[in-house]
Amino acid sequence: GENVEQHPSTLSVQEGDSAVIKCTYSDSASNYFPWYKQELGKRPQLIIDIRSNVGEKKDQRIAVTLNKTAKHFSLHITETQPEDSAVYFCAASMTNTGFQKLVFGTGTRLLVSP
Amino acid sequence: DADVTQTPRNRITKTGKRIMLECSQTKGHDRMYWYRQDPGLGLQLIYYSFDVKDINKGEISDGYSVSRQAQAKFSLSLESAIPNQTALYFCATSEGLAGGRQETQYFGPGTRLLVL
Repeated sequence: GENVEQHPSTLSVQEGDSAVIKCTYSDSASNYFPWYKQELGKRPQLIIDIRSNVGEKKDQRIAVTLNKTAKHFSLHITETQPEDSAVYFCAASMTNTGFQKLVFGTGTRLLVSP
Repeated sequence: DADVTQTPRNRITKTGKRIMLECSQTKGHDRMYWYRQDPGLGLQLIYYSFDVKDINKGEISDGYSVSRQAQAKFSLSLESAIPNQTALYFCATSEGLAGGRQETQYFGPGTRLLVL
């Protein structure tokens, strides 16, 4: 089945720096790649997603890139702020009898220091 | 997202006990999911349901059962709880788009379960 690997597991940056989190997936049929942010003690919330028909998507300070050939996608956060500190999960959708099930990476704990 | 609620928010139980975690949603979504979150392991799918008459096993269904009582309610049961079921459990919903297209999943606040 689908497998999603996520790196790094922890990432510490200074406020204002950029942060990059990378994921790879195994199923070439995957075509939807969301990113979720989970603050301490809170529920995961979608922050951005990308579909396989585009290579990049931006939303203010957040961007996601997708390389279908290499089967990897990345989350880029620019001008990081302390409130960006959280655990970030990538996911990929795997087709299974018509139902595209989400498979999650293991998460990256991002710490932004003032 | 207050449209997806879970009860209880925290639960302590003993090995061998049967417990039920409940999820309700007011988003009008057809699809509902139960996930388990363990430190360092991300979110793993336990069960999912497309509608009231549809129940499907996920990656880690052993030791769990579910009931979809209505479109808005999806319950997860641990028939005989064991310590390695100690985890954070999330319910999620999604709209269910035609043609199998993927859609956004919205998560509940989570239930923290401790099995002694």
